[in-house]
Formats: sequence, structure tokens, C-alpha cells
Amino acid sequence: KQEVTQIPAALSVPEGENLVLNCSFTDSAIYNLQWFRQDPGKGLTSLLLIQSSQREQTSGRLNASLDKSSGRSTLYIAASQPGDSATYLCAAHSGGYQKVTFGTGTKLQVIP
Amino acid sequence: NAGVTQTPKFQVLKTGQSMTLQCAQDMNHNSMYWYRQDPGMGLRLIYYSASEGTTDKGEVPNGYNVSRLNKREFSLRLESAAPSQTSVYFCASSPPGQGSLGYTFGSGTRLTVV
Repeated sequence: KQEVTQIPAALSVPEGENLVLNCSFTDSAIYNLQWFRQDPGKGLTSLLLIQSSQREQTSGRLNASLDKSSGRSTLYIAASQPGDSATYLCAAHSGGYQKVTFGTGTKLQVIP
Repeated sequence: NAGVTQTPKFQVLKTGQSMTLQCAQDMNHNSMYWYRQDPGMGLRLIYYSASEGTTDKGEVPNGYNVSRLNKREFSLRLESAAPSQTSVYFCASSPPGQGSLGYTFGSGTRLTVV
């Protein structure tokens, strides 16, 4: 059974700092991995989707990497801003409609 | 673009009451899902519908039923609510393909069962 772990559960950084969020998964046979952002009381917003054949995806200040062999994905946020404060979740898709496993998220606080 | 719309946003039920959570998407997606989110447990799949006319159980289906009314709408019904069903419920949809080729989520329904 796929297990997805995100460590740390919470992170607090000063504004302007570059930071890395980690996502680990136990089954390397994934089709894709997706990063989401969740604001308090809101739904999940998709940030980046990395196909299994890709090693990274970039969108603005965000860069997500995927290393299937080590079972890891990272989300890099450059020049963090207070508006980046949210919970970030990753989800690994192992194939089939019900084989998407979510991590429990990293709650990020960017301090002005 | 509306995306995925869920109603209601908040609901309080008494134990044993029933209710239906509504979900509609306007992106012409084939697949739709219902998840629940509980503290420390991540999102867990309740039911999914790969395409119009089909529904299947997910990881935690007990106590729930679903209806894929048409391509746009996918409802979740609690027949006899229990306190263990207190949670935040999310509906999601995705384009054709084997599941998560890019989920779009609704804003959620916060359900409290007392």
C-alpha cells in the first residue's frame, strides 16, 4: 500500500527566504505526482503536476522535482512571501482511479 | 469559470439524520470523486465515478451512497449520520484517463454531526 509522508508538518520562515518542502512515497511505481495548496477553510488548488517521465516542473517561483528511484519529490519556493502561507499537500498516483494517495501536508507560515 | 461547485458549505446534523451533499462541475470532466479530510489523516477517497453511469467504492465507503446524476453532477448521501462522519468533504473531478491527470477540487462542505 502506498504511503505518502510530508515532513515537517509545519514550517515557519521569514519573508524572502527560499525554502524546500518534502514529500516521500513508498511505492516508486507512480504515474504522476501532484502538489496542491490549501488555504484555511478552502479547497485544494493544484500547483504543479509531474508525470512519471518528467524530473521537474516549474511555475513562476515554484519548482517541483521528482525522483522516483528514491521515492521523493520536493517543492521549492523561491523568495517566499506572506501570501505563500498555506498548507501544501502532495499526492502520488499509483494507477487506477482510486490509487491516489495524499500526504497530510506541510503548514507553511511566512513571517513578514 | 466556476470549476467544481459544492453545496452546502456548512451543515450541522443530528445523529440519525440524513442529507445529500451536491457537487457539480462545468469542465466536461469524465471522472468525479468524493473525499473526506480529517485532521492528521490526509484525504481519503469515499466513492468515485470514472464516467457517467458508473460508481465505485473507495477507501472509506461505509455509511455513504452516491449518485452520478449526469456528466456534471455527483452527489453524496448520508442515510443515517453518525458523529464519526464529522469531517470536511471535498468533491473533485479530473479529465479522461486513469484517475489523477490533474484534479480540480471544490471548496468543501464542513459537516458536523452531533
